[in-house]
Amino acid sequence: DIVMTQSPDSLAVSLGERATINCKSSQSVFHVSDNRNYLTWLQKKPGQPPKVLINWASTRESGVPDRFSGSGSGTDFALTISSLQAEDVAVYYCHQYYAAPLTFGQGTRVEIK
Amino acid sequence: QVQLKQSGPGLVKPSQTLSLNCDISGDSVSSDSAAWSWIRQSPSGGLEWLGRTYYRSRWYNDYAVSVKSRITINPDTSKNQFSLQLNSVTSEDTAVYYCARISQRSQPVWGQGTLVTVSS
Repeated sequence: DIVMTQSPDSLAVSLGERATINCKSSQSVFHVSDNRNYLTWLQKKPGQPPKVLINWASTRESGVPDRFSGSGSGTDFALTISSLQAEDVAVYYCHQYYAAPLTFGQGTRVEIK
Repeated sequence: QVQLKQSGPGLVKPSQTLSLNCDISGDSVSSDSAAWSWIRQSPSGGLEWLGRTYYRSRWYNDYAVSVKSRITINPDTSKNQFSLQLNSVTSEDTAVYYCARISQRSQPVWGQGTLVTVSS
């Protein structure tokens, strides 16, 4: 199984400041044939389904604010919120779909400092 | 625009079978570029993938080891939906269950979630 490990477990950032969440996979999720990383970033708020923010490691989904960005390749990835807003308080998960079983990071809770 | 709509009971008795359906609009359960998963989030918080079904000239299923002996995911092409059956449930199966389209050649889409409580 591909183990996804996020850091930190929680993060408190001032409004307008940058927040960065890291995600490391135990093996590469880069697919050579189509030059893509099979990794998404999800935002989870209480009582709501997960929202897909970033797909293929760095492609922002339609309608997602451009303060969210994804980076990385292979086994090391990051989600950056360039200027934290109050509505960004949530738990964020990385998720690989390179191989079954599909797996998720343990989640990173983002709060306002 | 692809949408997934879940249905099924929110309360299941211990030892009985949990059954949920996921209706697909805007795509086909038989699409050769999609895969259809069930995922749950327990009260303790983590996301757990349970399994998937997909069509690539024939039907395939993959299941998580943790539930492999108790789970069945079936496509229904006549209704354009897929279902989850989880047998012999216990309180450990209490969770919010999500259906989702997650595949290497399609954009991910999640259902709205269904809280299933296992209790007598």
